[in-house]
Amino acid sequence: EIVLTQSPATLSLSPGERATLSCRASQSVSSYLAWYQQKPGQAPRLLIYDASNRATGIPARFSGSGSGTDFTLTISSLEPEDFAVYYCQQRSNWPPRTFGQGTKLEIK
Amino acid sequence: QVQLQESGPGLVKPSGTLSLTCAVSGGSISSSNWWSWVRQPPGKGLEWIGEIYHSGSTNYNPSLKSRVTISVDKSKNQFSLKLSSVTAADTAVYYCARDQGGHGMDVWGQGTTVTVSS
Repeated sequence: EIVLTQSPATLSLSPGERATLSCRASQSVSSYLAWYQQKPGQAPRLLIYDASNRATGIPARFSGSGSGTDFTLTISSLEPEDFAVYYCQQRSNWPPRTFGQGTKLEIK
Repeated sequence: QVQLQESGPGLVKPSGTLSLTCAVSGGSISSSNWWSWVRQPPGKGLEWIGEIYHSGSTNYNPSLKSRVTISVDKSKNQFSLKLSSVTAADTAVYYCARDQGGHGMDVWGQGTTVTVSS
């Protein structure tokens, strides 16, 4: 089973700042990685698929990069609505389609 | 657009079977997608349970495989989850989702809370 490790566990930033979230896989997942955003009381929302492709309707301030074992989700300039928990998910070697443990992005 | 809605009992007794259904509206369950179940224990992260294709082909999380059954009912445009021998550790919000294969889980239900307690 592929294990995904996200860092940091919590990231404290202010609106307007740049956020960089990391996801590391225990073995290569090529570019088969997705990112999701989850707000309290809501279902997750797909942000990025295949490491760098924005899902439908996702603002351009969200971008993904990486391949192999190291991936990054970048939010170029934080908006108030971006403060949430972010999960990565590998889609290369399944079952299972494992998730990372999440990064909480909180307002500083 | 496609919408998903979970339904089922919110309370299940220990050692019993959890049964949930996900109704698909605005699209056909026979489209080229996998249909998935994901759960989230209180205050914790997401756990992938398994998925089914409209042909009936399934994939399960090995950690749950002995207790999980996912099935599809094309006539009702819905799919279902059964989890047997439940314990308090199975208490969670259960989500159904559409998985576009290489494109990720792009449509989610609102989630339903299931508590395992006597």
